[in-house]
Amino acid sequence: NAGVTQTPKFRILKIGQSMTLQCTQDMNHNYMYWYRQDPGMGLKLIYYSVGAGITDKGEVPNGYNVSRSTTEDFPLRLELAAPSQTSVYFCASSSREFDNEQFFGPGTRLTVL
Amino acid sequence: GENVEQHPSTLSVQEGDSAVIKCTYSDSASNYFPWYKQELGKRPQLIIDIRSNVGEKKDQRIAVTLNKTAKHFSLHITETQPEDSAVYFCAASTGFQKLVFGTGTRLLVSP
Repeated sequence: NAGVTQTPKFRILKIGQSMTLQCTQDMNHNYMYWYRQDPGMGLKLIYYSVGAGITDKGEVPNGYNVSRSTTEDFPLRLELAAPSQTSVYFCASSSREFDNEQFFGPGTRLTVL
Repeated sequence: GENVEQHPSTLSVQEGDSAVIKCTYSDSASNYFPWYKQELGKRPQLIIDIRSNVGEKKDQRIAVTLNKTAKHFSLHITETQPEDSAVYFCAASTGFQKLVFGTGTRLLVSP
């Protein structure tokens, strides 16, 4: 199993541009999450999903959108990128049936200039 | 909503010493408390977790204690080694396994 994979690894955006961060998991997990981690800080939840077709906001959803059309994929969309969105973005997944451990992807480092 | 505070922000110990990191949470409904280790440039990795129906859990050199009444939980690392150097995050979960993270503790273990 590859676990949780994310693309791209790095990206530089100009202010006002848009992009989609991709996240895929092959563990058949029901729950998926997007976090952002600013330098020297903990992770903050942006959006989460408890299954295909179901998404909800986390702590810091403004400026982002998500969709969950399949169990495996949970893309994060940034519209009109702003310097405040410069961060490292982690996708994670967990199983509803077993322990609550969340498995994290390798992260995407995004810089908005 | 849930708020998690973590102390200290940095911790320096000598190899072989013990290290203790403490967290407090605000939401009494939180029922799951994981600890993650994050090395520079890497993803967070779960090292130990505890549920609200358990007061203590141990895994080799690592232990976690939970005091539900006081709403705080702690990570204890014994016989620290240089490879324990990293940033450690506590977190608390309420529904749907959503995690609220502390701000992290940078642990430095000197040989």
